Amino acid sequence: DQQVKQNSPSLSVQEGRISILNCDYTNSMFDYFLWYKKYPAEGPTFLISISSIKDKNEDGRFTVFLNKSAKHLSLHIVPSQPGDSAVYFCAASAGAGNMLTFGGGTRLMVKP
Amino acid sequence: DTGVSQDPRHKITKRGQNVTFRCDPISEHNRLYWYRQTLGQGPEFLTYFQNEAQLEKSRLLSDRFSAERPKGSFSTLEIQRTEQGDSAMYLCASSPQAVHSQETQYFGPGTRLLVL
Repeated sequence: DQQVKQNSPSLSVQEGRISILNCDYTNSMFDYFLWYKKYPAEGPTFLISISSIKDKNEDGRFTVFLNKSAKHLSLHIVPSQPGDSAVYFCAASAGAGNMLTFGGGTRLMVKP
Repeated sequence: DTGVSQDPRHKITKRGQNVTFRCDPISEHNRLYWYRQTLGQGPEFLTYFQNEAQLEKSRLLSDRFSAERPKGSFSTLEIQRTEQGDSAMYLCASSPQAVHSQETQYFGPGTRLLVL
């Protein structure tokens, strides 16, 4: 049973527009959520995180929204740039320092 | 560079051979994690150390897999009698110890294993 799901395997966006990547989870014990970006043949790079006590966290062009009642989080990238083209993974953990459970990833393509 | 490092970056082996991978975490990070990623999937947790103690192991970690972190610094992951299904990217991550808040895990570049 997949506890973290990213239902869109790919997303294509025009440069300068907003990219919205979605993630759903089923485990109510998850209390920390992260987004990672991954280029081919490299390890995941941390982007932004959010604790379950918040519903929004912003860092530059990246904003993560958390809707606990819907068990849903989203990553907004504004404005999107061609360099943002990569695979994005959402991940969740239950408790400090615990293992991460990842979604299957969404491939974002930002067209110039 | 003070990030997580992994060695080797690529490994090709024949079925039945043993392989060992090394991970050097970020300095002073006392938590170290191993994950495995297959094509088209997200990383899956394998095992986790706090200092030299192995605290958790996934059911994915069969008895052919063993991980160590003898001095609480670098870690090794050994796969014995490799099978073609072991072909994957093996990722290492580290984090500082969280006390009252969650801590982010930072990943290395991974070791890509191909078993022929």
